[in-house]
Order: sequence, then C-alpha cells, then structure tokens
Amino acid sequence: RKEVEQDPGPFNVPEGATVAFNCTYSNSASQSFFWYRQDCRKEPKLLMSVYSSGNEDGRFTAQLNRASQYISLLIRDSKLSDSATYLCVVNIGSNDYKLSFGAGTTVTVRA
Amino acid sequence: DAGITQSPRHKVTETGTPVTLRCHQTENHRYMYWYRQDPGHGLRLIHYSYGVKDTDKGEVSDGYSVSRSKTEDFLLTLESATSSQTSVYFCAISESTGFTGELFFGEGSRLTVL
Repeated sequence: RKEVEQDPGPFNVPEGATVAFNCTYSNSASQSFFWYRQDCRKEPKLLMSVYSSGNEDGRFTAQLNRASQYISLLIRDSKLSDSATYLCVVNIGSNDYKLSFGAGTTVTVRA
Repeated sequence: DAGITQSPRHKVTETGTPVTLRCHQTENHRYMYWYRQDPGHGLRLIHYSYGVKDTDKGEVSDGYSVSRSKTEDFLLTLESATSSQTSVYFCAISESTGFTGELFFGEGSRLTVL
C-alpha cells in the first residue's frame, strides 16, 4: 500500500465552480500534512499546510480527518489559474524532514 | 524564489554510463533532498542530507549515490545508468531552523537513458 494515495482525476470544472478532493495516508504516526501545487512541467510549490482544526487560505480550504486518515482540499470560485496538479504531502513517521508525496490530483478549470 | 539551481537541466545518455546531477543552493539551508518523479508515482525520495557529509537513503536509493562536501552543493550520481532511471529529478532544500514543511524545489533535471 502506498503511503499517500490520491484520486488522479482529472477534475474538469467550469470557472466559478467548487471542487474538492481527498488524499488518504497510511501512517497513523504522521503529524505534518501539506498541499503542494505543481504546474505542468514545473517544480512543486507549497500551497498550504493542513492543521488539525482545518484552515483556509483565501479560496482554498484544507481539512484533516485523523480518525479516517485523510486530508482534503476544497477550492471555491475556481479560476483558470487554478488549473494544476495538487500534491498531497505527509511527513514520514516521526522524521519530520522526510516527506512522502502523493501522485497528485489534476484539476482543469475551463472558461 | 529560493536560490536553487540544478545542472544539467536536460541530459540524454546511454545505458551503462555514469551520470552526475548537481544541485547548488545559495540559501545556506541545512537539509537537501533528491527526488525523482515518474507518472503514477509522484515524487519519491532517493537520498537526503542533513548536513555536510551527512546523508541517508530514501525509499528508492538503489543505483544512486550522493555526496555533500559543501553546504551549498548536493550531488546525485548514477554509477551505471539504466533505462529505469529515466525520470525527472528534483532537488529540494528546507530551512535550517525548525521544520515548516516547506520544501523549495529546483526546476528539475530531465534524464533520458537510452
């Protein structure tokens, strides 16, 4: 079983729509959770951290469900510029500086 | 943007030849990492470094070696390249003080092994 699993999508949504997707992780000892964004043929960049109580950053909302071992990302009022692959990232056990990446969920926002 | 440069950015080589990829940072960050990215697998950690001459294996380290003789440079070597090592390789760094989860990535090195 992979440490981090994501629905690869693609999620094709119109501008202005809301899109949400989840990521499951296998290691119950994981403590740190993140969403990264990767544009086509570019390097990944941190989008946001995921906190236990859930958190928002503008149109983006991240949630953590420890009991079911998944995190989620919701994008409201989608923009064309939100088209990207979103990577779920989880720390590997207690070694915080080692991270495990999901394969990514592709989102395409159409005009 | 974080000061990370990878070289070469593109390389085509033949099976059995040695290859070295270089990662250079100007941020003085303690931690450096090499990942490979392949379709369907996401980024997988090859090796990482937590200081000069301090390195350890990641999840896909077979066939790869690394060296870090200076804070700013982290080298990834494929001693004898194989077609299965065709991939995009990303170097990343993270801050020296504490861990925020933010990795800063280089632009990637695309390696093709024929």
